[in-house]
Amino acid sequence: SYVLTQPPSVSVAPGQTARITCGGNNIGSEIVHWYQQKPGQAPELVVYDDRDRPSGIPERFSGSNSGNTATLTISRVEAGDEADYYCQVWDSTADHVVFGGGTTLTVV
Amino acid sequence: QVHLVQSGAEVKKPGSSVKVSCKASGGTFSSHTINWVRQAPGQGLEWMGRLIPDFGTTNYAQKFKDRVTFTADESTSTAYMALSSPRSEDTAVYYCARDIVGSTWALDIWGQGTKVIVS
Repeated sequence: SYVLTQPPSVSVAPGQTARITCGGNNIGSEIVHWYQQKPGQAPELVVYDDRDRPSGIPERFSGSNSGNTATLTISRVEAGDEADYYCQVWDSTADHVVFGGGTTLTVV
Repeated sequence: QVHLVQSGAEVKKPGSSVKVSCKASGGTFSSHTINWVRQAPGQGLEWMGRLIPDFGTTNYAQKFKDRVTFTADESTSTAYMALSSPRSEDTAVYYCARDIVGSTWALDIWGQGTKVIVS
C-alpha cells in the first residue's frame, strides 16, 4: 500500500516560515490534502487538492506538490499554529485513504 | 452549516461490542461519503473505511474488514460504526468525517470524536 513519510517534528520561530514535508513515491501525481490537529480537538482540513484552502483558512497556509514531495507551507507563523499536521492521499490501487504519520509543529 | 455530532464515550470489556453514532446536524449526508478514522492515544490518524449512505456501499481498510460494520439511517441522517470483539488495542478516539463532493476524499467536516476505552 502507499506510504506517506513525514518528519516527526518541525520547529520555527514566530513570524518565520514553516515547511512541513510529506514524501511518497511519485506523490506529485497524487492529490494531497493537509489537516491541522490541536490537542484534544478533531482534525481540521487546512489545504485540499494540493493547494486549495477551505473557507476560513488563512492565506498563510499554502500547499505544493511535485516529484516525490508535497509541502505544506505556513507563512508568518503564529503561536496558535502549534499543532500536529497530517498529509493524506487516496491510494487508488486499494481505493483506500492513507494518512502520513504526522508532524508536530513547535513555535519556539 | 452541517455539523457531525457523535455519541458519548464508552468503556467496553474485551470481546463485547461497541457502536458509535454520528448524526448530521443542520443538513444531511446526501451526495457525501462518511469516513471513519481512529486515533490511538499518542498516535496518528488511521483510516478505517467509508460508507456511501446514498447507495449503502462500504469500503473497509483491510485491517478492519472482519470486525467493523458501517451503516446509516438516512431518515435521521445518522451513521453508525460497529466494532465487534474489541481488544485493548482498539482503545482510541473514533471520528466520523464527511468528504468534499468531487474531491479525492478530502474530509472537510469532522465529528468531535468518541473516546472508546477497552478494558
